[in-house]
Amino acid sequence: GAVVSQHPSRVICKSGTSVKIECRSLDFQATTMFWYRQFPKQSLMLMATSNEGSKATYEQGVEKDKFLINHASLTLSTLTVTSAHPEDSSFYICSADGAGSYEQYFGPGTRLTVT
Amino acid sequence: RKEVEQDPGPFNVPEGATVAFNCTYSNSASQSFFWYRQDCRKEPKLLMSVYSSGNEDGRFTAQLNRASQYISLLIRDSKLSDSATYLCVVNEVTGGGNKLTFGTGTQLKVEL
Repeated sequence: GAVVSQHPSRVICKSGTSVKIECRSLDFQATTMFWYRQFPKQSLMLMATSNEGSKATYEQGVEKDKFLINHASLTLSTLTVTSAHPEDSSFYICSADGAGSYEQYFGPGTRLTVT
Repeated sequence: RKEVEQDPGPFNVPEGATVAFNCTYSNSASQSFFWYRQDCRKEPKLLMSVYSSGNEDGRFTAQLNRASQYISLLIRDSKLSDSATYLCVVNEVTGGGNKLTFGTGTQLKVEL
């Protein structure tokens, strides 16, 4: 149980385009979903926290107008990287937690390369 | 000061060795603690939670010292398959819910 999927697993896009990444909890309803970013040889950094039906809470330094998060249901959250630039190239990982649980279940990640 | 600090390593050890990783955290209000394992270019996977009383899962033992804000992970009888990056993770309950803060990880390489 507690499986989280992400799609796509890998994407290459041109500078200036937008990319949407989906995160789904497959066998449970997620109270909260989280979006992280990890640059090479660095730690996972939390970008934003989203709860179904409400606006996402962004961490300091993360532009909410650039990284659009939509959490339309208890099993789906999307992250859209708008007007992507090469410096946005990174490993984007989502996670989800179930009600009352401290544990977060991670998706397999999406590797974004902006050329 | 980083919120969660770890020695990045790498720790290169022979198969069968015992290896210990340490981690310190800065927020005394942190409520729960974990060790995650991350393989190259993969997502992190929960290895074990860490409790004040110490807990063991097979070859892995985790300890928490709240007074010193220090967490440890001991791996006995290392296997080649233990090679990975080990992430120390601290959870805080904020107004927005649970927030995990990750250390940068300690890289372990187990060699023949």
